[in-house]
Amino acid sequence: AIRMTQSPSSLSASTGDRVTITCRASQGISSYLAWYQQKPGKAPKLLIYAASTLQSGVPSRFSGSGSGTDFTLTISCLQSEDFATYYCQQYYSYPLLTFGGGTKVEIK
Amino acid sequence: QVQLQESGPGLVKPSQTLSLTCTVSGGSISSGSYYWSWIRQPAGKGLEWIGRIYTSGSTNYNPSLKSRVTISVDTSKNQFSLKLSSVTAADTAVYYCARYSNYLLGIFDYWGQGTLVTVSS
Repeated sequence: AIRMTQSPSSLSASTGDRVTITCRASQGISSYLAWYQQKPGKAPKLLIYAASTLQSGVPSRFSGSGSGTDFTLTISCLQSEDFATYYCQQYYSYPLLTFGGGTKVEIK
Repeated sequence: QVQLQESGPGLVKPSQTLSLTCTVSGGSISSGSYYWSWIRQPAGKGLEWIGRIYTSGSTNYNPSLKSRVTISVDTSKNQFSLKLSSVTAADTAVYYCARYSNYLLGIFDYWGQGTLVTVSS
C-alpha cells in the first residue's frame, strides 16, 4: 500500500501567517492527491483535488502544488476559521485509498 | 443537497460484529453516478479507508481489514451498511460514511457526521 507521510504533525501560527504543509508519498502518485480540512467533532471537508484544483466554494487563500511524491498545501493568509487538522489523501492506487497522518494547525 | 447519516450501536463487545448503516437523503443511492464508502478514525488519529460499494453491489475493501469486512447496499431504503466481525478494542473509532463520484473517483465530496463506536465489554 502507498504510505502518505505529512509534516509537520503540528504547527503553531498566527492569523495572517503563510502556512505550508507537506505530504510525501512512498511512491510516485502523479497528481492523484487530495487535501481535506477537519475541525474538531466534524467530518473532513474537501479542499483540493488533483493536487492543485480548488474544490468549489473553497477560499482562494488555499492552494496546492506538487506531483510525483512531494506535495504541499499552502494557506496564504491564515484566518481564524482555518485552525484545524489537514489531511492529504492519495487516490493513485484507486480503489485502495490512503490518507496521511494529519497536520494540526494551532493558534500561536 | 445530499446528506449522509450513520446509525448503529455505539457500544460493541469484543469478538462480536459491528454493524452500521448509512442513510442517504437528497439523492438516490442507485443513480449509478456514485460510489459509497466507509472510513474510520480512532480518537486523536488519522483516517483509514475501510471499503466501498457501487450500486451494482460491487465492492472493494482495504486489504488490512478485508477478512473481517462486509459492505452491502439496500437501494429500496437508500442505505448502505458496514459489518466488521471479530472486533477488538483497536476497532474503537469514529466511523464515517462518505461518497465519491464517477468523475472524481476516490475523492470524497460528501461525508456523514460520523458515529463513535466503542469496543468494550
